[in-house]
Amino acid sequence: DVVLTQTPPTLSATIGQSVSISCRSSQSLLHSNGNTYLNWLLQRPGQPPQLLIYLVSRLESGVPNRFSGSGSGTDFTLKISGVEAEDLGVYYCVQSTHAPDTFGAGTKLELK
Amino acid sequence: EVQLQQSGPEVGRPGSSVKISCKASGYTFTDYVMNWVKQSPGQGLEWIGWIDPEYGSTDYAEKFKKKATLTADTSSNTAYIQLSSLTSEDTATYFCAREDYGGYDYWGQGVMVTVSS
Repeated sequence: DVVLTQTPPTLSATIGQSVSISCRSSQSLLHSNGNTYLNWLLQRPGQPPQLLIYLVSRLESGVPNRFSGSGSGTDFTLKISGVEAEDLGVYYCVQSTHAPDTFGAGTKLELK
Repeated sequence: EVQLQQSGPEVGRPGSSVKISCKASGYTFTDYVMNWVKQSPGQGLEWIGWIDPEYGSTDYAEKFKKKATLTADTSSNTAYIQLSSLTSEDTATYFCAREDYGGYDYWGQGVMVTVSS
């Protein structure tokens, strides 16, 4: 199975600060069809996860544009340009290129 | 509005089975694959499997092949997961999640399953 390694495990930020989360894959996530099925989720406390970014860099409808995704192959990054209080929670990367789907261990974003 | 409404919390005895439902509304149920995801207490997310409601076809993660059974009822737009031979390792929250091109775009609220004698 594909292993996704997220760093850092915990991130402390102030409101307005820009932060980045890394997700590294044990193998390339480029599918034979040319797509890269790497997505980012946010799980707020007591809530189900919500989709933020899909196909590496596409912003899900309704998600603020302070969120952005980038990367290719095995290295991917989620950036939040100006953290807001509602952004606190656990961020997960997830891949669907190779069966079975696998998730990173998560990065907890908390207020400094 | 797309909604996935899951059933209520379950308590099961060791060795027994539980069945959780996920009722879909706001879209054509047979147009999207439904996934199921496990979250153990204080832990991360783990993919269990998916079902294509239109054809009834399924796929499971290896470790859940003898644990979980996925079904779907197109007459009621409801997906189900049955967990069998319960052990303490099955105590967790279980989510259904619709899969759109590239990602899980809608999630149910989650169902807490507690295994206790």
